[in-house]
Amino acid sequence: GNSVTQMEGPVTLSEEAFLTINCTYTATGYPSLFWYVQYPGEGLQLLLKATKADDKGSNKGFEATYRKETTSFHLEKGSVQVSDSAVYFCALIKNNNNDMRFGAGTRLTVKP
Amino acid sequence: DAGVIQSPRHEVTEMGQEVTLRCKPISGHNSLFWYRQTMMRGLELLIYFNNNVPIDDSGMPEDRFSAKMPNASFSTLKIQPSEPRDSAVYFCASSSGQGGDEQFFGPGTRLTVL
Repeated sequence: GNSVTQMEGPVTLSEEAFLTINCTYTATGYPSLFWYVQYPGEGLQLLLKATKADDKGSNKGFEATYRKETTSFHLEKGSVQVSDSAVYFCALIKNNNNDMRFGAGTRLTVKP
Repeated sequence: DAGVIQSPRHEVTEMGQEVTLRCKPISGHNSLFWYRQTMMRGLELLIYFNNNVPIDDSGMPEDRFSAKMPNASFSTLKIQPSEPRDSAVYFCASSSGQGGDEQFFGPGTRLTVL
């Protein structure tokens, strides 16, 4: 079945460090891929998405590239801030249905 | 755009009581989803609706849980009777209903069953 596996946390970084959170997927066909972010006490918010191979999603300095050859969608940011502290979820959805599959989430803490 | 609205934001109840969680999806969205989030199990899909019709309820834990969507702008998730292990954050999300579209989440209801 369709599934997402993401890097286990927690991840702790200093401000201005480089961030990578790994995400790989298993799916038949060509799913759309997403990164959601959940700040403390809030619901999940869409951070970025990519709908086809080689697409790059980007938002707020975060980027992820849809790599079909490695079935990956790793999240990166060149310089993290304290305000980026949150839980990040990788997700996929098949383009012909509404069944979204989420990874387990990766908690990021950025220290000043 | 008000986004997905959930009520109440917090609910504390005693074991055995009935609990009703409410959700108003984004206007114009045709799909609605109920999720449960716990530290142990992460984010779990409980049920989702397309055009007010339940499509997949395989994630509903047991008969104590039920969900309804009487119209396009309102859904409820009911737990009767509630148990301490039901304590979690319950999220409602909606999407356009077109395949492959992103979901928009509400702020969640934090349920504590004593």
